[in-house]
Amino acid sequence: GDSVTQMEGPVTLSEEAFLTINCTYTATGYPSLFWYVQYPGEGLQLLLKATKADDKGSNKGFEATYRKETTSFHLEKGSVQVSDSAVYFCALNQAGRRALTFGSGTRLQVQP
Amino acid sequence: NAGVTQTPKFQVLKTGQSMTLQCAQDMNHNSMYWYRQDPGMGLRLIYYSASEGTTDKGEVPNGYNVSRLNKREFSLRLESAAPSQTSVYFCASGRQQDEKLLFGSGTQLSVL
Repeated sequence: GDSVTQMEGPVTLSEEAFLTINCTYTATGYPSLFWYVQYPGEGLQLLLKATKADDKGSNKGFEATYRKETTSFHLEKGSVQVSDSAVYFCALNQAGRRALTFGSGTRLQVQP
Repeated sequence: NAGVTQTPKFQVLKTGQSMTLQCAQDMNHNSMYWYRQDPGMGLRLIYYSASEGTTDKGEVPNGYNVSRLNKREFSLRLESAAPSQTSVYFCASGRQQDEKLLFGSGTQLSVL
């Protein structure tokens, strides 16, 4: 079946550091890929998505590129802020499937 | 504010008690979902409803029942709560099954 694997956290960075959160997936066909973010005490929010190979999703300074050859969708940001502290979830969805498949989440802590 | 509203936000139950988690969306979305979030396991799908009047089991349906009362409302019922059902529960909705989801803020449930 479909699955998503994320790097374990927490990831602790200083403000203005470069961020990478790794995500790889296993799926048949050509899924759509997503990054969701969960701020403390809130539900998940869509951060960005990509629907086909080599697409780059971007939002709020975050980027991720759909790499079919490596089955990856790593999240990056050039300069993190304290306000980026949250849990980040990678997810995929196959066309015609019932719902998203989520990874286990990676907690990011950004220190001033 | 438009979005997904879940109630209650917090609940403590004793083993064997029953309760219903309520969810309503005002986005005119067709699809609605119930997920549970457990440490290290990400989000797992309990039940979903592709449209009004239909419901289907997800990855972890045992011990739960759902009702899609109308297009807006999708409730989750625990008939006889067990400690293994201690979790954070999220309701979500989406326009179509393979599009981005909008999440509620969650219900933290403890079963003693």
